[in-house]
Amino acid sequence: GAVVSQHPSRVICKSGTSVKIECRSLDFQATTMFWYRQFPKKSLMLMATSNEGSKATYEQGVEKDKFLINHASLTLSTLTVTSAHPEDSSFYICSASDVQGAKYEQYFGPGTRLTVT
Amino acid sequence: AQKITQTQPGMFVQEKEAVTLDCTYDTSDQSYGLFWYKQPSSGEMIFLIYQGSYDEQNATEGRYSLNFQKARKSANLVISASQLGDSAMYFCAMRSTSGTYKYIFGTGTRLKVLA
Repeated sequence: GAVVSQHPSRVICKSGTSVKIECRSLDFQATTMFWYRQFPKKSLMLMATSNEGSKATYEQGVEKDKFLINHASLTLSTLTVTSAHPEDSSFYICSASDVQGAKYEQYFGPGTRLTVT
Repeated sequence: AQKITQTQPGMFVQEKEAVTLDCTYDTSDQSYGLFWYKQPSSGEMIFLIYQGSYDEQNATEGRYSLNFQKARKSANLVISASQLGDSAMYFCAMRSTSGTYKYIFGTGTRLKVLA
């Protein structure tokens, strides 16, 4: 089946530094990838939608200069949290969309837990 | 605007019994998709079941079935013969049919299976 990986699974960084999270579709080509943020015991909040080779579309209230998204290939998207602060600590989940078939199902990565100290 | 509502923040069920997790949705689209995901404490999102708006029969996947009532705009998840490993957070989601086909998630229901 469709597998999506994320790296790293956990990261701790100091306030003011930047951290990059990778999302890879391992066995299919994903023209669209999605980035979500999840606070403890809360639902997934869509941050942005990225299409291969074009600029990401950010949801309202998400700072695009803070959360840089690059989707350089059909199997890789990256999220860079720039100048991270403790309030950026969260669980970040990516998903990749398989546009074949009627379901347009999203396949989710295992998530990355970011802690900013 | 599209919306997913899960009114049960937490549920308990006895092992081996069935449980129904509620999900209602709001959309003006004629074509849409409904999904259920399980999220254990590890955080991964596990796909459980899918129902398309034009599917005439309720979806079933093993112990999971989706009670789809289109007129009521409800898509409840039924888990039969609950197991201890079913304890997790459950999310209902709807796929938008416009543009990027992004998902809209409900707030989730935390299910605890009791031994």
